[in-house]
Amino acid sequence: GAVVSQHPSRVICKSGTSVKIECRSLDFQATTMFWYRQFPKKSLMLMATSNEGSKATYEQGVEKDKFLINHASLTLSTLTVTSAHPEDSSFYICSARSRTSGYDTGELFFGEGSRLTVL
Amino acid sequence: SQQGEEDPQALSIQEGENATMNCSYKTSINNLQWYRQNSGRGLVHLILIRSNEREKHSGRLRVTLDTSKKSSSLLITASRAADTASYFCATDVTGNTPLVFGKGTRLSVIA
Repeated sequence: GAVVSQHPSRVICKSGTSVKIECRSLDFQATTMFWYRQFPKKSLMLMATSNEGSKATYEQGVEKDKFLINHASLTLSTLTVTSAHPEDSSFYICSARSRTSGYDTGELFFGEGSRLTVL
Repeated sequence: SQQGEEDPQALSIQEGENATMNCSYKTSINNLQWYRQNSGRGLVHLILIRSNEREKHSGRLRVTLDTSKKSSSLLITASRAADTASYFCATDVTGNTPLVFGKGTRLSVIA
C-alpha cells in the first residue's frame, strides 16, 4: 500500500515560536493532501486541503495565517503553526490519496501524526 | 454537517465476542469507509463500501450500508485483544473529496 511519512512525530515548543510539520508521500505522487487536527479522544477535524502548486483550501474557522500550508512538490506538503499558543497543542495528521492505489476507490493513506505541545 | 455519528462511543467486550459499531450520516454519499486508530497513531484503512453496495466482508470484518437510513455498521467477529483501538467511519460525498469523520467508537477487548 501507499506510504505517507510525517515528521516530527512529537514536538514541544514555547509559546510564540513557529513549528513546521512535514508530510511526505514516499512511494507515490500526491497532488492533493489533507491536514486534519485531532483533540484527545475526539474525532479528526479537516483543517485544509493542500494542493500542489496552488494555495491550500481552508475549512471554515481555520486561520490560514495561523496554519500555513505549502505543497511545493508532488510528494511534500508542510504545515507551519505560526506563533504557537498552548491552545494549538493537538495531534495533527496528514493524509493523501494515491493515483495508483486508492485514488479511484477514495481510500486515504495517513501519516503517523505529529503531537504538538506548546508550553 | 456531514459528520457521522458513531455509537456506542465506547465498547468493552471479552476476547472472542463480536463487536458491533454503528455509524449514521446526514447527506448523500459516494462511499463510506471505516478506519482504525491505535492510541496516538495514524489511521489505518479497514474497508470501503460504495453507496450501491449493501454489505462487504474482509476477514473478520463485516460492513453493512443502508443508504435509506443513512447508516452503516461495522462488525468485528471473534474479537482479539489486539483489536483494541478507536474505530471511525468516514464519508466521501463524491469519491474524491476530503473524508469527513465520525466521532469514533473506542473499543476495548479484554483478554
